[in-house]
Amino acid sequence: DTEVTQTPKHLVMGMTNKKSLKCEQHMGHRAMYWYKQKAKKPPELMFVYSYEKLSINESVPSRFSPECPNSSLLNLHLHALQPEDSALYLCASSQEYTDTQYFGPGTRLTVL
Amino acid sequence: AQKVTQAQTEISVVEKEDVTLDCVYETRDTTYYLFWYKQPPSGELVFLIRRNSFDEQNEISGRYSWNFQKSTSSFNFTITASQVVDSAVYFCALSEAEAGGTSYGKLTFGQGTILTVHP
Repeated sequence: DTEVTQTPKHLVMGMTNKKSLKCEQHMGHRAMYWYKQKAKKPPELMFVYSYEKLSINESVPSRFSPECPNSSLLNLHLHALQPEDSALYLCASSQEYTDTQYFGPGTRLTVL
Repeated sequence: AQKVTQAQTEISVVEKEDVTLDCVYETRDTTYYLFWYKQPPSGELVFLIRRNSFDEQNEISGRYSWNFQKSTSSFNFTITASQVVDSAVYFCALSEAEAGGTSYGKLTFGQGTILTVHP
């Protein structure tokens, strides 16, 4: 089973809202990732958690705040986003960092 | 720095045609991994294959086949007898496996090739 789940599938929020994206995997993977993907572009890495610790932050603005409550869950807290943050947000996991990454279906975020 | 180039932005074929998606990569590492992912309109990136730099054997999986040639730094993907369900964006990606580098473990994606298969 290589399933990564993400909720919600779609999210519309205003620039003053606070919302969270959720990602879950039950494959026992120890690395989890957040990516941002704009239309007609490849995914861009945002954050990497390895063994529940933040190991990579690709200079992402502080209005994006990741959290890894346990080895199966990954959250992305959103606050004071801008319209240009509208994108598909993809979560992925891998057995270990550098192993094959398996992606979830993504959350399509629209910021008004 | 590592780089992946997918020169074909869009390809359009008719069902049952064979189609090859090109991928050329650049890396200074001797140990690395190459991947292909499929992204249908639903948005999920679906893993297709991973190949390490020391394994140049070609691989076939059903209608899919991959040709890895280190001499030309290419990792091409062929779909035989294409079907409408193959319509998607296909990404080639590279991951460096030598610890210590700034790109260690990170997936570098190509720009993607949009494949449309017409009935």
